[in-house]
Amino acid sequence: EDQVTQSPEALRLQEGESSSLNCSYTVSGLRGLFWYRQDPGKGPEFLFTLYSAGEEKEKERLKATLTKKESFLHITAPKPEDSATYLCAVQGGDSSYKLIFGSGTRLLVRP
Amino acid sequence: DAGVTQSPTHLIKTRGQQVTLRCSPISGHKSVSWYQQVLGQGPQFIFQYYEKEERGRGNFPDRFSARQFPNYSSELNVNALLLGDSALYLCASSFGTVNYGYTFGSGTRLTVV
Repeated sequence: EDQVTQSPEALRLQEGESSSLNCSYTVSGLRGLFWYRQDPGKGPEFLFTLYSAGEEKEKERLKATLTKKESFLHITAPKPEDSATYLCAVQGGDSSYKLIFGSGTRLLVRP
Repeated sequence: DAGVTQSPTHLIKTRGQQVTLRCSPISGHKSVSWYQQVLGQGPQFIFQYYEKEERGRGNFPDRFSARQFPNYSSELNVNALLLGDSALYLCASSFGTVNYGYTFGSGTRLTVV
């Protein structure tokens, strides 16, 4: 069964303290792995799509990497405005028309 | 350019009632998908429509139905509401069905009492 597991569930960081979020996935025939940011009461905001192992993408303080079994979202020198829930989703397998989401990592960055 | 717009933003319904949620995709996007997000969980896939045809359906009961109109906007209908239907309902649009980025709207917060 296709599934996505994110860890940790919650993460508290001091401003400037770099860390990584993990997304482990099981899917046959990965078509794409997506990272989204979600603020409370809002819809997910697109960050990155990764398509193949070894691929990396960067945006400001965020960098996403992909292996055959997992993806990491690295946050370098985070700021309080980076506080949000980060969602990972995969597309592939027999149901390639849908995104399968993990439960997310709630990130709190303290000033 | 306007993003994905959903209406209403919030609504409260009583158990047993019916509700219709609406979504307008980004201009040029032909695919609309619906997701349900319960508090503390990731979004769960409900439906995908492309060119007015249903392309996929998630593991939801027949009380849930949807359609897509010629202008690519979409409606999600839920009949015989249950307390467990309380959630954030998200609409996502994309140009195609696979290997295209999905843009989400801000959602409709449904509360069933």
